[in-house]
Parts: sequence; structure tokens; C-alpha cells
Amino acid sequence: SSELTQDPAVSVALGQTVRITCQGDSLRNYYASWYQQKPGQAPVLVIYGKNNRPSGIPDRFSGSSSGNTASLTVTGAQAEDEADYYCNSRDSSGNHVLFGGGTKLTVL
Amino acid sequence: QVQLQESGPGLVKPSETLSLTCTVSGGSVRSGSYYWSWIRQPPGKGLEWIGYIYYSGSTNYNPSLKSRVTISVDTSKNQFSLKLSSVTAADTAVYYCARDQEYYDSYGYHYAFDNWGQGSLVTVSS
Repeated sequence: SSELTQDPAVSVALGQTVRITCQGDSLRNYYASWYQQKPGQAPVLVIYGKNNRPSGIPDRFSGSSSGNTASLTVTGAQAEDEADYYCNSRDSSGNHVLFGGGTKLTVL
Repeated sequence: QVQLQESGPGLVKPSETLSLTCTVSGGSVRSGSYYWSWIRQPPGKGLEWIGYIYYSGSTNYNPSLKSRVTISVDTSKNQFSLKLSSVTAADTAVYYCARDQEYYDSYGYHYAFDNWGQGSLVTVSS
């Protein structure tokens, strides 16, 4: 399969927990990476691998995976977490790069 | 800290060739384990991978763009470049260069874009 599927939009109350999901056959072979993009800015890597955060990313961001589904969880969402989130992986061949369509996270 | 910076014309005429260059500082395009990529984002839309080049010169492209794309690397200048031919208005987008890091664990090889340029808006219009 050459697609990664994300819900277009998700909302969460301030301080609550939200999960953003990404589905695709390639996720059975490769971990998803997750990116946060705020308006007018380049994407920023927030989760990679099994559940790794680059330096500077708050520990309220975490990742998990099961079968063909990867998840990004934000525990205790803050106003500054409102952004678009994209998942990414290689396709099943490993030669091409896939992006999900993105999920717009609204913090209420 | 690696930094990437896109440069090139912000306006391209329909049917012409879009050309962008990404200059890498704080690191080398000769480094193994990195794939140097181009990614674009049309206004108000999601991210689309265009293609990547490895320092050896090997490339892979998005099948939907493959017939129009060429990515090259200049190790002497620590740069890599994108050419997209026969552009139309549908190619109007912010173009990002990014570093795709390869890493390995007990589950196999995995990848993540750990560094991105700021993006360069290219408009296709006469």
C-alpha cells in the first residue's frame, strides 16, 4: 500500500489527553515519524522510532504502534500544541516516502 | 546543529523549469545514513514528498512526479538541488529541503526527517 491515512481534524480540551492516529500497511514494517506544523512554519519532528523525542520536545508527546496503526498521544494538551500534525514513513518497499494527509489539532 | 536553506526564484512561468538549491551548513551531504529530500506543500494543503538523493548520487522520486523531476548533489559546495520541468499552476507550493535520517534498531531500518529548511514559496504564473 502507498497511503497513510489520518483523521482531518481532532479537538481536545485544555489539559486533557488526545490521540492522533495514522493507518497504513507500511506501518507494519516501519515506525511512523510525527511532525508538528504551525502556520507559516516548517514542520518539526516530535516523535520518531518506537517512541523517541528529539531534544527540546516536551515529554507530553509520546508515540505508539500496533499492527498497521501508529498513534501520537498528547497528554495534558497545552494551547501551544494547537497545530497540524503529519505522520510519515517509508512505503513497504522502503524506497519511497509517504506522508499522511495531516490532522488539525484544536485545543479548546 | 545542521541547518538547511533553500534558494531560487520565487516565480516561474508555466511550462518552464523550476530550479531550487538547498545549502547545508553544520554538516556534510557526504555523510552516510542521510537521505537529502525535497518536499512540497501547496497552499492550504498537506505535505508531498518529491524525492531524495543519497550522497553517492543514487536517487528515488515520487512516482507521480518522476517524469519531471531531477535531484542532484554537489558535494564540493555541500548543496543539493531540485529541477522540476514543465510546471503548471498545480506546482505552486512551498518547497522544503529536509534531511531524512536512517537509523537501525532491533526492528530494522527506520527513517525520520530531523532537519528542515525554512521553506521557499514558488509561484507558477505568467
